[in-house]
Amino acid sequence: GENVEQHPSTLSVQEGDSAVIKCTYSDSASNYFPWYKQELGKRPQLIIDIRSNVGEKKDQRIAVTLNKTAKHFSLHITETQPEDSAVYFCAAPRKGSGAGSYQLTFGKGTKLSVIP
Amino acid sequence: EPEVTQTPSHQVTQMGQEVILRCVPISNHLYFYWYRQILGQKVEFLVSFYNNEISEKSEIFDDQFSVERPDGSNFTLKIRSTKLEDSAMYFCAVEVGTDTQYFGPGTRLTVL
Repeated sequence: GENVEQHPSTLSVQEGDSAVIKCTYSDSASNYFPWYKQELGKRPQLIIDIRSNVGEKKDQRIAVTLNKTAKHFSLHITETQPEDSAVYFCAAPRKGSGAGSYQLTFGKGTKLSVIP
Repeated sequence: EPEVTQTPSHQVTQMGQEVILRCVPISNHLYFYWYRQILGQKVEFLVSFYNNEISEKSEIFDDQFSVERPDGSNFTLKIRSTKLEDSAMYFCAVEVGTDTQYFGPGTRLTVL
């Protein structure tokens, strides 16, 4: 099955600096890689995703890069703001045997703290 | 982003009691999922549900768990005899398009 490793587990940056979170996955058949942001007590919220047919995707201050050969993908946040403080999870899909069977395997999360 | 509601937001129960957690997706979806998150830990897959039947389940989803869609709208997760270690946030998710999953607000289950 899919195994997702995420680093670092905690990250503190000064407001305005950039933050980078990295994930590796094991299943070479995986072709979709979402990132979720989770604020305390809230649901995981999809912030950006990337498919294996592209190497990079940007959405304002956030970007995701994918290296399929090395089986890793990264989240980049530029010009960080205090409201970016949250736990960020990467995930990779794992196709099962059943119809419509598809589950997300999550990394352990990165607690990002943006210091004003 | 699709709207998904979950009830209750918080459920407190005694060990050994049955609980039913509900998920109501606003739009028609084909694929439903339940995930759980123990406090401070990662999100873990429990079960996927497609075409009104279980598609796949994880090793966490043992005989104490069941899912159904009784009326074509609500999607429920039942835990028959709760244990202390069942205390967690339970999230319902729906799939939109290809692969993209959106999570509901979750139910915090506390087993005493």
